[in-house]
Amino acid sequence: DVQMTQSPSYLAASPGESVSISCKASKSISNNLAWYQEKPGKANKLLIHSGSTLQSGTPSRFSGSGSGTDFTLTIRSLEFEDFAVYYCQQYNEYPPTFGAGTKLELK
Amino acid sequence: EVQLQESGPGLVKPSQSLSLTCSVTGYSITSNYWGWIRKFPGNKMEWMGYISYSGSTSYNPSLKSRISITRDTSKNQFFLQLNSVTTEDTATYYCASQIRRVFAYWGQGTLVTVSS
Repeated sequence: DVQMTQSPSYLAASPGESVSISCKASKSISNNLAWYQEKPGKANKLLIHSGSTLQSGTPSRFSGSGSGTDFTLTIRSLEFEDFAVYYCQQYNEYPPTFGAGTKLELK
Repeated sequence: EVQLQESGPGLVKPSQSLSLTCSVTGYSITSNYWGWIRKFPGNKMEWMGYISYSGSTSYNPSLKSRISITRDTSKNQFFLQLNSVTTEDTATYYCASQIRRVFAYWGQGTLVTVSS
């Protein structure tokens, strides 16, 4: 299976700041990477697929970049609603596999 | 809007079978792919398998001998059965719509604890 390594595991920031989350694959996955947001009591939300394509409804302050093995999720000008857990997931190979998550906390 | 909702027992005894239902509204399960994913304590997530619009299935090799995904198209529901559970199967179980292995819509998840 393709191993996905996310960093950092925890990230503290303030509204208005920008943050980046890294996701590294154990082998090349082309651009077959998705990012999800998890919030308590809500269904997980698909933010980005194909490495950098925003899903309909994802605010433009979110962006994804990378290809091959290294990917980044960037959130610019954080808003209160962005404090959540973020997961990356590769879908280049079966089975699809996920990173361990990054918890974005309010500083 | 597509909505998914998991339901089933929150407590299962070791060696028994875990059975969950995913009820889908806003979209027919005879289109697309419909999957199960679980999140263990500590946040590790594992894709378990899917059932397709035609009823074909695909499972994670790590579970292949214990898992079955079926459906009832008349009720727009699909089901997960996991046999011979152990405490290591304690997790939050999610159902999701799956398009090209990307999970566009998720249920809110249901916690299943395996304990005697």
